Amino acid sequence: DQQVKQNSPSLSVQEGRISILNCDYTNSMFDYFLWYKKYPAEGPTFLISISSIKDKNEDGRFTVFLNKSAKHLSLHIVPSQPGDSAVYFCAPYTNTGNQFYFGTGTSLTVIP
Amino acid sequence: KAGVTQTPRYLIKTRGQQVTLSCSPISGHRSVSWYQQTPGQGLQFLFEYFSETQRNKGNFPGRFSGRQFSNSRSEMNVSTLELGDSALYLCASRTGGAQSPLHFGNGTRLTVT
Repeated sequence: DQQVKQNSPSLSVQEGRISILNCDYTNSMFDYFLWYKKYPAEGPTFLISISSIKDKNEDGRFTVFLNKSAKHLSLHIVPSQPGDSAVYFCAPYTNTGNQFYFGTGTSLTVIP
Repeated sequence: KAGVTQTPRYLIKTRGQQVTLSCSPISGHRSVSWYQQTPGQGLQFLFEYFSETQRNKGNFPGRFSGRQFSNSRSEMNVSTLELGDSALYLCASRTGGAQSPLHFGNGTRLTVT
């Protein structure tokens, strides 16, 4: 049962443009949502998070949007830089189950 | 502050053998979780330990086990290795609070031949 889906396995964007990564979930008990970035041969790095009581959170070039009614989460990166090229995972969390659920990831390539 | 440290980085084992992986969490973090990453499968949750007690467990066979020590360091053991156990095993620590993020180590790459 795949509770978290990242339907785009890959995404290519020109440097300086906006990158939009999407994540859909089915479990209405998720109350904390995180994004991670992963480079090859390294562990995932925490990027940004949002609580279910908010619909937007910004940190520099990174903004996460949460649409609870649609059970949809998105990460916006603007402007995109070549160093942003990595695999991005969304990871909702439920305090009830005390567990993070990871999507299968989206591989972002930022073209110089 | 030092990050999460996993040892060894690479491991090659033969089918049927057993293996132990080690994880040292960030200082002050009482929760340690283990994940398996295989191509196309994302990160699959194995288990979480908090204050030496298993707090949660994923859907893996009993061949996968773990423990946590009083200093929060954790070990994961896989017995009777199968070819399908070849994967990147990631350890992550967090403070243990309700909305605290996971901080990952760089993983142990296990290859079973």
